[in-house]
Amino acid sequence: EAQVTQNPRYLITVTGKKLTVTCSQNMNHEYMSWYRQDPGLGLRQIYYSMNVEVTDKGDVPEGYKVSRKEKRNFPLILESPSPNQTSLYFCASSLRTSGADEQFFGPGTRLTVL
Amino acid sequence: AQSVTQPDIHITVSEGASLELRCNYSYGATPYLFWYVQSPGQGLQLLLKYFSGDTLVQGIKGFEAEFKRSQSSFNLRKPSVHWSDAAEYFCAVAIMEYGNKLVFGAGTILRVKS
Repeated sequence: EAQVTQNPRYLITVTGKKLTVTCSQNMNHEYMSWYRQDPGLGLRQIYYSMNVEVTDKGDVPEGYKVSRKEKRNFPLILESPSPNQTSLYFCASSLRTSGADEQFFGPGTRLTVL
Repeated sequence: AQSVTQPDIHITVSEGASLELRCNYSYGATPYLFWYVQSPGQGLQLLLKYFSGDTLVQGIKGFEAEFKRSQSSFNLRKPSVHWSDAAEYFCAVAIMEYGNKLVFGAGTILRVKS
């Protein structure tokens, strides 16, 4: 089944404890992206990747890191999480980097930073 | 700057009644427009998309949307709402200058009363 998977789905952590949220797609997609969803703000892009080893900042990159060492994986790294990073996170992928390509979203990761 | 506005934070309609969710966008180039739906605790599902051509587009679950360039709008409609349509709806525009970045509106929460 074609899908985008994220792990973990739920995470409660404390300020300053490094964490990684994994994202994997099995559709051989070039483009991958991370969004965060906050009430009243919709989804905002954190980072994106157009292909292996090609990543760039989105609209809200502060406090996050990403890597794209393999085409299928695009982990989101929070080196020192803070309470303002409490949010619902979505990974997405699309076949190419064209705006015409549908993006497929993962199920989301709900992160709470205490 | 590119942006998407969904003026209605909450909408309540009776089951069987018609529905229209409003969306206005700001984008200099020809827009690629999308509507997504998010059921409680779920990820995002694509309802429909507009790239070019016919300005009235049909989607899944009986939804349709009309692109009006003169009004910079892409309103979502359904002639008869079902209780299962209760969810949050997001309008988005693809920004081609950044690969396949989606800029989302803040969302509209639809409540269906019986």
